[in-house]
Amino acid sequence: NAGVTQTPKFQVLKTGQSMTLQCAQDMNHNSMYWYRQDPGMGLRLIYYSASEGTTDKGEVPNGYNVSRLNKREFSLRLESAAPSQTSVYFCASRGFGQDGYTFGSGTRLTVV
Amino acid sequence: GENVEQHPSTLSVQEGDSAVIKCTYSDSASNYFPWYKQELGKGPQLIIDIRSNVGEKKDQRIAVTLNKTAKHFSLHITETQPEDSAVYFCAASYSSGKLTFGQGTILTVHP
Repeated sequence: NAGVTQTPKFQVLKTGQSMTLQCAQDMNHNSMYWYRQDPGMGLRLIYYSASEGTTDKGEVPNGYNVSRLNKREFSLRLESAAPSQTSVYFCASRGFGQDGYTFGSGTRLTVV
Repeated sequence: GENVEQHPSTLSVQEGDSAVIKCTYSDSASNYFPWYKQELGKGPQLIIDIRSNVGEKKDQRIAVTLNKTAKHFSLHITETQPEDSAVYFCAASYSSGKLTFGQGTILTVHP
């Protein structure tokens, strides 16, 4: 099993550019999450999708949008990238009735 | 919302020593407390977790303790090895499943 797959692994954007981070899981998990990781701040929840067809804001949603395309895929979009969005982004999923998350390997995004 | 504080931010030990990382949480309704290990360039991996109806849980060299009254929980690693070097995160959640993470601890085990 591939688990949680994130693409791309690295990306450099100019301020104001847009892009979509892709996430797909092959474990038939219901819930999916997007976190950002910054030094000294741990992982902060951006958006999540408790089940297919639903999305909700997390702790730091400003500047981001998400789409739960189907049960497998949950994408994160930056409409107009800002230097403050330079971070490592992690997608995670969780199965129904389970507690633990399975994380992808991350996307390292730099906005210049 | 939930707030999780984690200490220390960095921890350096000699191989064979024990390592302890501590976390406090704010929401008394939280009932699930996992610990994740993150190696360089990888995503976090669940290493152990505990529910609020249990005070301690062990898995070989790692253990987690929970004090619900004081709202804190700790990760204990015994007989540390160089491959234990990583960043460790604690987290807390209520049944909704949204995890709130601590700030992370960089553990370095010197041979």
